[in-house]
Amino acid sequence: GNSVTQMEGPVTLSEEAFLTINCTYTATGYPSLFWYVQYPGEGLQLLLKATKADDKGSNKGFEATYRKETTSFHLEKGSVQVSDSAVYFCALVIYNQGGKLIFGQGTELSVKP
Amino acid sequence: KAGVTQTPRYLIKTRGQQVTLSCSPISGHRSVSWYQQTPGQGLQFLFEYFSETQRNKGNFPGRFSGRQFSNSRSEMNVSTLELGDSALYLCASSSDGTSTDTQYFGPGTRLTVL
Repeated sequence: GNSVTQMEGPVTLSEEAFLTINCTYTATGYPSLFWYVQYPGEGLQLLLKATKADDKGSNKGFEATYRKETTSFHLEKGSVQVSDSAVYFCALVIYNQGGKLIFGQGTELSVKP
Repeated sequence: KAGVTQTPRYLIKTRGQQVTLSCSPISGHRSVSWYQQTPGQGLQFLFEYFSETQRNKGNFPGRFSGRQFSNSRSEMNVSTLELGDSALYLCASSSDGTSTDTQYFGPGTRLTVL
């Protein structure tokens, strides 16, 4: 079946530290990959996406590269801020199931000043 | 453009009752998807509607149903509520629901079943 696995949280970092959140996937079809972020009490916001192998998505200093050979889409940021504290979700959509996002379990990030 | 709106934002119901949640997509978007978010199960896909037709369905019992109107607004209904239905229900819209399309989420409806 189709699934997404993320590293478990919570992840606690100091401000300006380097962030990596691991995400791997299993897909029967050819997926598009997404990272969404959820701030406390809010819905989900798209952070970045990649729709084909070797694509790099980037936004607000976050980056992730679609690695088909390792079925991975790891999220990275060079220098985190307190305002990055949130829950991050990796997700995929299979080619012929366009409206159906399959999510990982989420990784909570806490950044301390 | 206005974002995805969901009403109501909070609901409290008792077991056995039914509930209807509403979602207004971004103007021009034709695909609306619904998700359930709980601490134990995470984010799970309920169903997707496109041009008034259910196009994808998740693994939820028949008590969960939905529909989409000609203006793309969508409603979901849960009948015979159970305690385990307490969750944040999120609606998302996208332009045409293709796999490369971005889904934009609303703030959610927090349902509490007592």
